[in-house]
Amino acid sequence: AQKVTQAQTEISVVEKEDVTLDCVYETRDTTYYLFWYKQPPSGELVFLIRRNSFDEQNEISGRYSWNFQKSTSSFNFTITASQVVDSAVYFCALSEAESNDYKLSFGAGTTVTVRA
Amino acid sequence: GAGVSQSPSNKVTEKGKDVELRCDPISGHTALYWYRQSLGQGLEFLIYFQGNSAPDKSGLPSDRFSAERTGGSVSTLTIQRTQQEDSAVYLCASSLGWTTSTDTQYFGPGTRLTVL
Repeated sequence: AQKVTQAQTEISVVEKEDVTLDCVYETRDTTYYLFWYKQPPSGELVFLIRRNSFDEQNEISGRYSWNFQKSTSSFNFTITASQVVDSAVYFCALSEAESNDYKLSFGAGTTVTVRA
Repeated sequence: GAGVSQSPSNKVTEKGKDVELRCDPISGHTALYWYRQSLGQGLEFLIYFQGNSAPDKSGLPSDRFSAERTGGSVSTLTIQRTQQEDSAVYLCASSLGWTTSTDTQYFGPGTRLTVL
């Protein structure tokens, strides 16, 4: 069964628009970790953030913000005032501490295209 | 400092041939991971190493796939008798330790394998 679902396959926006990427996860573990990675056209996955299941505080880093809601098993990612350099594939991932705390289970990814 | 490097960046081979893919992790990283990224399957875990041993090989698709790590550093993923369905991008990652609660997985640029 898919542990991480990213329902949006592709999103296209014009520069300066905000874009929100959805991520829904599924796990029976009480301790788990959620991640976002960015894969630009160069191909290398770049780590953006890690959240643990006990910390539901939202986080902001520059133009990036993350909203973690355990009640809906979601960990959404928002890019504010998007720029062309934000064009990439974004992956949400889950690691389950009680079963496989070394393994990342990735969603299918969302391709974001920011047009000038 | 230097990131994770992989070689070759691209490999084209004929069906039935063997291929070796190489990964050089970040210096000092004890854990090393192989993932595969393909159109049909997304990003999937293959195997991970703690030092030179591989506690979890569960993601290897078949017995044609094997991996080793020597000296706690370089790893080689070998695919024997390649099939067209092996065509994918093979990503390597490394981390300081092997728990995702604290240890970020840093990814290399990948090797794009095409089996004709």
